[in-house]
Amino acid sequence: DAGVTQSPTHLIKTRGQQVTLRCSPISGHKSVSWYQQVLGQGPQFIFQYYEKEERGRGNFPDRFSARQFPNYSSELNVNALLLGDSALYLCASSLEVRGGYGYTFGSGTRLTVV
Amino acid sequence: QQQVKQSPQSLIVQKGGISIINCAYENTAFDYFPWYQQFPGKGPALLIAIRPDVSEKKEGRFTISFNKSAKQFSLHIMDSQPGDSATYFCAAADKYNFNKFYFGSGTKLNVKP
Repeated sequence: DAGVTQSPTHLIKTRGQQVTLRCSPISGHKSVSWYQQVLGQGPQFIFQYYEKEERGRGNFPDRFSARQFPNYSSELNVNALLLGDSALYLCASSLEVRGGYGYTFGSGTRLTVV
Repeated sequence: QQQVKQSPQSLIVQKGGISIINCAYENTAFDYFPWYQQFPGKGPALLIAIRPDVSEKKEGRFTISFNKSAKQFSLHIMDSQPGDSATYFCAAADKYNFNKFYFGSGTKLNVKP
């Protein structure tokens, strides 16, 4: 079985640009959550989507947005990139909206903003 | 304000030794405490988790000890192996917002052969 897949694996962007990161959850998983992991720190919660609706939002500016598609895949968009947005962006999927019990993380997208 | 404080930042243990990583929290609404293991270039993987109604949970060489009154919990890795060398994160989730995990800052474990 395929795990959580994220694309691209690495990305370099310039300050002020926009970026879209993609996530495909494990088959049958309806919940997708996004986390930001800055180098040397633990992951920080950005969003959770379940059945295409936003179910939770972390303490991130409005430059961050996400959506979930009918096939439960998800995109994370970040506008007006700042140097501080450089991080590993992790996607986690779970069967149910109370995702924590069954979170499976992908390997992440490494975003570098120059 | 960090919701979960983790220590030490790094740890070196000899093969066969015991690795101990500690975490502390303040939010009494937290009711689920998982530990994750992360290898370079990979996402975190769930190792073991505990609820506050038990004081200890053991799975193989990994044990979580939980002290509800002190609001502390720890991970013990018995008979540590070089393959255990990774970064370990504690986390917590509360009963009202269970989809949101608060992670500690991580402990980089190096098990020397």
